[in-house]
Amino acid sequence: GESVGLHLPTLSVQEGDNSIINCAYSNSASDYFIWYKQESGKGPQFIIDIRSNMDKRQGQRVTVLLNKTVKHLSLQIAATQPGDSAVYFCAENDSGGSNYKLTFGKGTLLTVNP
Amino acid sequence: SQTIHQWPATLVQPVGSPLSLECTVEGTSNPNLYWYRQAAGRGLQLLFYSVGIGQISSEVPQNLSASRPQDRQFILSSKKLLLSDSGFYLCAWSVQGVWEKLFFGSGTQLSVL
Repeated sequence: GESVGLHLPTLSVQEGDNSIINCAYSNSASDYFIWYKQESGKGPQFIIDIRSNMDKRQGQRVTVLLNKTVKHLSLQIAATQPGDSAVYFCAENDSGGSNYKLTFGKGTLLTVNP
Repeated sequence: SQTIHQWPATLVQPVGSPLSLECTVEGTSNPNLYWYRQAAGRGLQLLFYSVGIGQISSEVPQNLSASRPQDRQFILSSKKLLLSDSGFYLCAWSVQGVWEKLFFGSGTQLSVL
């Protein structure tokens, strides 16, 4: 069935390095994508989103890249800090389908080493 | 600004006991409301969503139910908890008519023993 998944379940980086978290999706009709950050014991926090009419969007220290050809999404975090340590989820939505819910991936655990 | 409150933060309940988790949203009117469950090391599973007072849609058949007695209040309940009900429960809201961008509460860690 349609699903959203992640290439790497864990990622460990040094403080100050750039981090790249990847996500693959299989629903070619998906037209909205969103990244959440979840710290231990807390609810997910919105980071950044992107629609399928774009291939790149930038926020503060974060960039989301969308490659519709290969159905791949990535989150880039510049100058990673210890406070960035968390689980990162991608999610997708097909607004033409069951548009009342997001489909979430399982998450990638990012660990930032000082 | 909008805020979402969810309580309690942690809960330990015996098997067969009832459950009531409450969620309220402030600073917005007529939001879409959601209950998600997150098993350890896994993604988010949508349990219920609501587009208005008294309107509840269930995603998966299970031992839980939801109610929306007021516009900005969403309650997750069970008459008799099962061991398999253990997990991290998250309430979320979105702007009415905008399904995609969800804002989550802080979650309730439920342990059924």
